[in-house]
Amino acid sequence: AQSVTQLGSHVSVSEGALVLLRCNYSSSVPPYLFWYVQYPNQGLQLLLKYTSAATLVKGINGFEAEFKKSETSFHLTKPSAHMSDAAEYFCAVNTGFQKLVFGTGTRLLVSP
Amino acid sequence: SQTIHQWPATLVQPVGSPLSLECTVEGTSNPNLYWYRQAAGRGLQLLFYSVGIGQISSEVPQNLSASRPQDRQFILSSKKLLLSDSGFYLCAYYRDSGSYEQYFGPGTRLTVT
Repeated sequence: AQSVTQLGSHVSVSEGALVLLRCNYSSSVPPYLFWYVQYPNQGLQLLLKYTSAATLVKGINGFEAEFKKSETSFHLTKPSAHMSDAAEYFCAVNTGFQKLVFGTGTRLLVSP
Repeated sequence: SQTIHQWPATLVQPVGSPLSLECTVEGTSNPNLYWYRQAAGRGLQLLFYSVGIGQISSEVPQNLSASRPQDRQFILSSKKLLLSDSGFYLCAYYRDSGSYEQYFGPGTRLTVT
């Protein structure tokens, strides 16, 4: 069965610092992987997706993620955090049957 | 372009009252539709999904139900709400892009008192 583990329910960084949000997946089929962002009281917005093309995927707002099959990881990074990046981030993997399984989320806190 | 709507945006209902949340999608046909619940401090729980009119799959047994009366309309209902039904309800759709991503509506905040 497919699953996603997000390490760290909260991550705190200073403005301008590197952002690293961790995601490890388990999948019995070639995975499609996704990162979504959720701002308070809003729906989820797709940040980026891995669909077996390039292993380094660039998304919106300066975020990128690298698919590492050997480590079963798909960590999200951004070189320099901005106050507006404060939100909750969800990693997800396809299960087949056109369904996604989501991680429990990581709340990113950005301090000035 | 595709858009997804949910209403109401917020709802406060007493225990034991009925519930009806609506989700509609524009700009696409025959999408897969999904209902998720997000409880405070927890991730997303898939409640129902539908691959076509009248076709509903339930992921979690509970006192909620879903219906799809039209191609682009998805309704979440309950006959009698419980306190545990409080949460943020999200509707999403998938269109056959080959890569499985789902697009989410703005959500409905339900508080059961």
